[in-house]
Amino acid sequence: QVQLKESGPGLVRPSETLSLTCSVSGGSIENSHWSWIRQSPGRPLEWIGHIYYSGSANYNPSLRSRVAISMDTSENHFSLTLTSVTAADTAVYYCARLGDFFVAPRLDPWGQGMLVTVSP
Amino acid sequence: EVVLTQSPATLTLSPGLTATLSCRASQNIDSTYLAWYQQKAGQAPRLLFYSASTRVTGVPDRIRASGSGTEFTLTIKRLRPEDFAIYYCQQSGDSVLSFGGGTTVE
Repeated sequence: QVQLKESGPGLVRPSETLSLTCSVSGGSIENSHWSWIRQSPGRPLEWIGHIYYSGSANYNPSLRSRVAISMDTSENHFSLTLTSVTAADTAVYYCARLGDFFVAPRLDPWGQGMLVTVSP
Repeated sequence: EVVLTQSPATLTLSPGLTATLSCRASQNIDSTYLAWYQQKAGQAPRLLFYSASTRVTGVPDRIRASGSGTEFTLTIKRLRPEDFAIYYCQQSGDSVLSFGGGTTVE
């Protein structure tokens, strides 16, 4: 079955760029949508954005000016970049497949999550 | 942008009782685009239902989801220790996703 795993730096300095990668195993990233979601400590889930294998992406309006999601079909992974980070971007970042997008969209499966802390 | 409001924020119940969780949308949404997730401490969320009421394999039938329009409900009967968690509703309309604020069942 499809499995996802996030990777990247766990510590980012304020004003710098956060970069994470989600590696997909057990299936191809083609022909599906892929999402990033985050959760600040003690807070609810927040959708960041998603990308289709064609390259088209949608983003949370509150983050649109700072976020980009890309994918690499040769490496079977997709990535998140978030620029000009502040302490408010400290969160556990999850990647997930947004399956059956055109019929009955749902986020499944999810990666285990990765804590990213923004601190000097 | 569709805003999802979940209530109550916290539900305190004893095992064996029934939990009723509400998810209200700020505008009508196609039930196809409504999903429910369970999250336990330190874990990633787990999909429970999609299309408002379609149960995912492995979810017991004492847990039921229903609703349409702006009102959606998750009902957990005969609460078991493994049911105590945070539950989120989520919608995917207009290609912009959003989550509710969650309900903690404790």
